[in-house]
Amino acid sequence: KNEVEQSPQNLTAQEGEFITINCSYSVGISALHWLQQHPGGGIVSLFMLSSGKKKHGRLIATINIQEKHSSLHITASHPRDSAVYICAVSGNQFYFGTGTSLTVIP
Amino acid sequence: DAEITQSPRHKITETGRQVTLACHQTWNHNNMFWYRQDLGHGLRLIHYSYGVQDTNKGEVSDGYSVSRSNTEDLPLTLESAASSQTSVYFCASSEWGLTGELFFGEGSRLTVL
Repeated sequence: KNEVEQSPQNLTAQEGEFITINCSYSVGISALHWLQQHPGGGIVSLFMLSSGKKKHGRLIATINIQEKHSSLHITASHPRDSAVYICAVSGNQFYFGTGTSLTVIP
Repeated sequence: DAEITQSPRHKITETGRQVTLACHQTWNHNNMFWYRQDLGHGLRLIHYSYGVQDTNKGEVSDGYSVSRSNTEDLPLTLESAASSQTSVYFCASSEWGLTGELFFGEGSRLTVL
């Protein structure tokens, strides 16, 4: 049983497309995190949110606490957005999704 | 700038050897974690610590140990390395109470032959 489920597992998009990655969780949380990992690289935090919506440049993260669901949107996608995006939640511990591998083709 | 560093970044060792992966953070965070990342499994928790002299087992702790003698460091030791422990290891830290942002090291790729 996975406390955090992401979809899709893999995603290929053309440059410029609008992208959505979904995350559902089954535990009580204090915050939800979106993380980014480039191939062979480290893991960096993109967002931490507990309600509503946050925006950084072309990235938007939303969360619906009642539905236990979050989405990460990328507007005007670019090849440099190609990475694995990981959803994580913090409750009594951190729980991680298995990631969504995004490839943006020029 | 505050940071979290891991060493070594890459290591090849032989079955049965003891290996220690270092993790050092300058955020002054109480919480520190060790994860392993394997294809198809995502990040799995090995050990964690909520403060000096506090250590706890995670879901995949067999064959691993940690110690926390100060706030900055949480070394991970593989007592007798096994091929099943070939993986990428990430150290992370967060502020008190799991309500803060999670910061990761660059990862340590360990190969056990």
